[in-house]
Amino acid sequence: DPKIIQKPKYLVAVTGSEKILICEQYLGHNAMYWYRQSAKKPLEFMFSYSYQKLMDNQTASSRFQPQSSKKNHLDLQITALKPDDSATYFCASSQDRHSGNTLYFGEGSRLIVV
Amino acid sequence: QQKVQQSPESLTVSEGAMASLNCTFSDRSSDNFRWYRQHSGKGLEVLVSIFSDGEKEEGSFTAHLNRASLHVFLHIREPQPSDSALYLCAVRKGGSALGRLHFGAGTQLIVIP
Repeated sequence: DPKIIQKPKYLVAVTGSEKILICEQYLGHNAMYWYRQSAKKPLEFMFSYSYQKLMDNQTASSRFQPQSSKKNHLDLQITALKPDDSATYFCASSQDRHSGNTLYFGEGSRLIVV
Repeated sequence: QQKVQQSPESLTVSEGAMASLNCTFSDRSSDNFRWYRQHSGKGLEVLVSIFSDGEKEEGSFTAHLNRASLHVFLHIREPQPSDSALYLCAVRKGGSALGRLHFGAGTQLIVIP
């Protein structure tokens, strides 16, 4: 059974709309992350959270807002969607932010913006 | 800005033959290297992590790190068709937070029965 659950698995959205990607992890980890994998590009880091607090942010646009209601949740709200936002968004988690700890990834949420 | 490049882009091997994948990185302060694989439509599965020069073995996967030449290799011993997947190299720049990994574009491995 997957220990990191992402919902929805597939999503089609209209330009200008707003969507929320859900992530829950059942690994007991304290740190959670969002990554994005766009067509023809490598996975790229977006955000890191530790104990529900934002620790690191690589995304320039304020249209992307992580939300952590519980320690094992890190949702990603995306507003004013653009076609360039089309990508697979991966949630990940680790025990904490120590350099030796491994990141574990969910199966991703594939977003298509039309 | 850390650059991570993987080669070859695609690799086809026969079942049981050794598969060797290459990853080069640009930042000499890099101190944390992982190999992941991704089956089509699935999440990333961590294979092996290495933090110092030399080799690290996990099952049929061996990572070999040579920081001086900015290379980290993955060798897959006796691959099976079920090992067909996208293999990703992830590198952490020294001093940066754990979560900020830089990934390569991947090597698509195809194992023929």
